Amino acid sequence: KQEVTQIPAALSVPEGENLVLNCSFTDSAIYNLQWFRQDPGKGLTSLLLIQSSQREQTSGRLNASLDKSSGRSTLYIAASQPGDSATYLCAVSGNTGKLIFGQGTTLQVKP
Amino acid sequence: GAGVSQSPSNKVTEKGKDVELRCDPISGHTALYWYRQSLGQGLEFLIYFQGNSAPDKSGLPSDRFSAERTGGSVSTLTIQRTQQEDSAVYLCASSTPTGDQPQHFGDGTRLSIL
Repeated sequence: KQEVTQIPAALSVPEGENLVLNCSFTDSAIYNLQWFRQDPGKGLTSLLLIQSSQREQTSGRLNASLDKSSGRSTLYIAASQPGDSATYLCAVSGNTGKLIFGQGTTLQVKP
Repeated sequence: GAGVSQSPSNKVTEKGKDVELRCDPISGHTALYWYRQSLGQGLEFLIYFQGNSAPDKSGLPSDRFSAERTGGSVSTLTIQRTQQEDSAVYLCASSTPTGDQPQHFGDGTRLSIL
């Protein structure tokens, strides 16, 4: 059974810091991995999707890497801003697209 | 363009009542997913529809839960004889049928069982 773990559970940093969020999964037979952002009381917003054949994806200040063989992904956020404060969720899927989520990392960026 | 729309946004009901939650996916998205987000369990998959194929119901927690998707578009999740442990946020997502596009989520329905 696939299990996804995210570390740390919570993180508080001053504005401007670069930071790394970690995600690990137990079964390397994934189709893709996605990083989402969730603001309080809202649904999920897709940030980055990495196909199983890819190593990384970048969007603006965000960079996500995937090491499928070791079952790990990282989300790197450069020059963090208070508006980045949210819960970040990692999820993996098989070929049906059904997502299995980690418990999330709650990020607070202090001005 | 319009995103995934869910209604109601909040629902409070008494234990034992039936509830229906609605999801209107993005136009042209043939894949539709229901998930549940609760404090103790995080985000869990419930059910998946893809076109005219039989749905994947493997995540439904009990036979009190059912879902339909009419005309390949709008979906309804029904919970019969609600229990307090059904209290959660129910999220719907849709996507294109290929696995290389992200799922788009609605804002969810917050269900509270008294």
